[in-house]
Amino acid sequence: QKEVEQNSGPLSVPEGAIASLNCTYSDRGSQSFFWYRQYSGKSPELIMSIYSNGDKEDGRFTAQLNKASQYVSLLIRDSQPSDSATYLCAVLDNYGQNFVFGPGTRLSVLP
Amino acid sequence: DVKVTQSSRYLVKRTGEKVFLECVQDMDHENMFWYRQDPGLGLRLIYFSYDVKMKEKGDIPEGYSVSREKKERFSLILESASTNQTSMYLCASSFGRENTEAFFGQGTRLTVV
Repeated sequence: QKEVEQNSGPLSVPEGAIASLNCTYSDRGSQSFFWYRQYSGKSPELIMSIYSNGDKEDGRFTAQLNKASQYVSLLIRDSQPSDSATYLCAVLDNYGQNFVFGPGTRLSVLP
Repeated sequence: DVKVTQSSRYLVKRTGEKVFLECVQDMDHENMFWYRQDPGLGLRLIYFSYDVKMKEKGDIPEGYSVSREKKERFSLILESASTNQTSMYLCASSFGRENTEAFFGQGTRLTVV
């Protein structure tokens, strides 16, 4: 069974701080990794994708991938109350067909 | 912009009814998915399809069936709705290739009474 694990949280950070979200996955053959943000009652929306080892930055968001450790993370700099949401880590299987989602980490940014 | 559209945002159905949830995507994606999401249980895959008329069971297919007669449309059918099928249902689609993401519809909140 392919698994993706995340800390369920809630993770609380003060406004302006860095929020760090972590994810581990079991399928060593996976090549594609995604972070989705989901507001309460809404559907997930893609915020970052990463395919190579290292860091990928987009605005206040940085995704980090370490395939040897089977570890993906998301850093949110200068956290805002509007970042308060559940963040889902998703891993695409090595056939490129199916996604495995983690349970999500609930982030709360306190004003 | 990719659009994945689910036919209803909210639905209330009675126990035993046959329920159809429709999903349409406009990006010529090969793969389409149906998930349900419940508090504390995350996203669980019900069925997915990688081609017209093709379907694969996901993790929780019991009580559900699907239909994909056209590439852009993927329907989820609850043969006889039960209260334990009250949930948020999410449709998604993707190109079905490496390094391509899934796009979600807006979700259907189904309540079975």
